[in-house]
Amino acid sequence: KAGVTQTPRYLIKTRGQQVTLSCSPISGHRSVSWYQQTPGQGLQFLFEYFSETQRNKGNFPGRFSGRQFSNSRSEMNVSTLELGDSALYLCASSSWGGITYNEQFFGPGTRLTVL
Amino acid sequence: TQLLEQSPQFLSIQEGENLTVYCNSSSVFSSLQWYRQEPGEGPVLLVTVVTGGEVKKLKRLTFQFGDARKDSSLHITAAQPGDTGLYLCAGTPYSGGGADGLTFGKGTHLIIQP
Repeated sequence: KAGVTQTPRYLIKTRGQQVTLSCSPISGHRSVSWYQQTPGQGLQFLFEYFSETQRNKGNFPGRFSGRQFSNSRSEMNVSTLELGDSALYLCASSSWGGITYNEQFFGPGTRLTVL
Repeated sequence: TQLLEQSPQFLSIQEGENLTVYCNSSSVFSSLQWYRQEPGEGPVLLVTVVTGGEVKKLKRLTFQFGDARKDSSLHITAAQPGDTGLYLCAGTPYSGGGADGLTFGKGTHLIIQP
């Protein structure tokens, strides 16, 4: 079974631009979550989508948005990029089998650099 | 305030030594997971602990979930250079709703020197 894939792997943008990142979950997984990883803050939860609906959202500004398609693929968008948005953006999928645990399977990430 | 505190943040030891990494919180968690992340890659799930007091073993790695489900530990016996990486604990806070995002600790950077 193929793992989680993310495209692109690397991106360089300038301040003020916008960016769209893509994630394809493991086949059969209906939950997709996005995380931002920085050296200072570690891994921080952005949002989770399940069956095309945003089910949960972390504490990030509205410049960060996402969506999920009917085939469970997901995209996240960051508008008006700031230098502080430079980070590794990780996508994770889950089968979401129950409410007691939430095992995440991560992709390799997209390294975003904002100049 | 970090919901999950990991210690130590950095650890460098010689091959063959034993070590323990801790993950603590003042909150109760439905479950806790441990991941290992290598440079340029996403975290890889090692184990999930669900029941208070639970102990799970994965070869030379032993994971324990605290009785009160507020803390966890990872013990590595006879560490090898291949164990080098960033170890992350992550948990689902117990809120009753079942739909909370996963909360991560900041991680322990482990280096095993040959």
